[in-house]
Amino acid sequence: ELKVEQNPLFLSMQEGKNYTIYCNYSTTSDRLYWYRQDPGKSLESLFVLLSNGAVKQEGRLMASLDTKARLSTLHITAAVHDLSATYFCAVDISTGNQFYFGTGTSLTVIP
Amino acid sequence: GAGVSQSPSNKVTEKGKDVELRCDPISGHTALYWYRQSLGQGLEFLIYFQGNSAPDKSGLPSDRFSAERTGGSVSTLTIQRTQQEDSAVYLCASSRDRVKHEQYFGPGTRLTVT
Repeated sequence: ELKVEQNPLFLSMQEGKNYTIYCNYSTTSDRLYWYRQDPGKSLESLFVLLSNGAVKQEGRLMASLDTKARLSTLHITAAVHDLSATYFCAVDISTGNQFYFGTGTSLTVIP
Repeated sequence: GAGVSQSPSNKVTEKGKDVELRCDPISGHTALYWYRQSLGQGLEFLIYFQGNSAPDKSGLPSDRFSAERTGGSVSTLTIQRTQQEDSAVYLCASSRDRVKHEQYFGPGTRLTVT
């Protein structure tokens, strides 16, 4: 069974600082997704990464995918309070219908 | 346009009762997924529908769980003889098709079994 691990699980950071969330997965995949979930809310799609070396940026967030290392990163630049949420990565493998979600990273940005 | 909708938003039921949860996907989306999210946890895949094909039920945790999708649109997840461990948020998602498209999630149904 495919395993998707995120670290850290909990992250508290000050406004203005930079940090990276890591998503490792255990089998071959060239499709990875990042989602954001606010407390009590559903998941919102952030990025879709569909090939090795893919990099996408939206505002203060940038996601990248290294399929050879089976690693995706979500980089936060100059964090602001509005980024406080739980971030999930999800991996899709071509041989099945499941999307495998990581356990999530709970991010708190402190003023 | 309209997103994925789910009903009810909250459901409290007694142990042993049956419940039905409804999902209306985005119009034109052929793929539909059900997930379960327990408190503070990630998402657990339950079932997947693609068009008129037979569903992928590989994630259903027991035979008390079943789902159907009528006319390739609305889906209903049924849990029979509910147990306390069934308490969770049940999320539905749809996507344009199976390949390379992200899923759009509904707001979820919070199920509490007392």
